[in-house]
Amino acid sequence: KAGVTQTPRYLIKTRGQQVTLSCSPISGHRSVSWYQQTPGQGLQFLFEYFSETQRNKGNFPGRFSGRQFSNSRSEMNVSTLELGDSALYLCASSIRTDSYEQYFGPGTRLTVT
Amino acid sequence: DAKTTQPPSMDCAEGRAANLPCNHSTISGNEYVYWYRQIHSQGPQYIIHGLKNNETNEMASLIITEDRKSSTLILPHATLRDTAVYYCIVRRETNAGKSTFGDGTTLTVKP
Repeated sequence: KAGVTQTPRYLIKTRGQQVTLSCSPISGHRSVSWYQQTPGQGLQFLFEYFSETQRNKGNFPGRFSGRQFSNSRSEMNVSTLELGDSALYLCASSIRTDSYEQYFGPGTRLTVT
Repeated sequence: DAKTTQPPSMDCAEGRAANLPCNHSTISGNEYVYWYRQIHSQGPQYIIHGLKNNETNEMASLIITEDRKSSTLILPHATLRDTAVYYCIVRRETNAGKSTFGDGTTLTVKP
C-alpha cells in the first residue's frame, strides 16, 4: 500500500506570494491533518479535514487555509507569504478523525525569500 | 491535551535497550500516551500508544506507570537506524488529529 505523498517536495517563494501544497493520503484514509515544523516552534498542528470538512483547527492566522476533495486528497494554501512561513509542511493521514494512528508524508520544504 | 516533559537528548549503545522517559503528570483519565519518532528529513512515524496497560508491538514496548503520570518507551535492541527524535504526546482519542508535538528527545545510537 502506497504511503502518504506530498507535492512538491521543495518550493521557493518570495514574500507576498501565495502557495498551494498537495497531500494524497493512504488509500482508504479519510482524515488528513496538516502540520508546520520549524526549528524554533517544533511541530505545530494547522488543521484537520475529514470527509471534506474541517474538523479541527490550530492557532494559525487566516492566511493558512485548506480543503479536502471527495477522494480525500487535500490541499493547503498560504497567502501573502511571510519570511516566517519558511518551514517543513507535513501532512498526516488516518483512517478516521479520531484515529490514534497517523501516518505522515515526507513533507514539503517551503523557503520564503 | 496534557503537557509532556522529555529529556532533550540521550545516547544508547547499539544492540542495547533504549529507554526513553516521558512525564505527563497532568494527564486525565481519557487521554492516551502516544509515541512518534522523526528521522532526519522525514515525516514523523507512529510507534505505539497506550491508555493504562503496557503495550508491545514489533517496534517497541510502552510502559505506563500505575498512576499514569509517566511512561517509558523501550526499544529492546537499538540499531543505528533508531537514531531519531522521539516525541511523547498525550491526547484524547477525539483529538487525534490535533496534536502539537513538543521538542522530543534526540536519541543517538552509537556503534
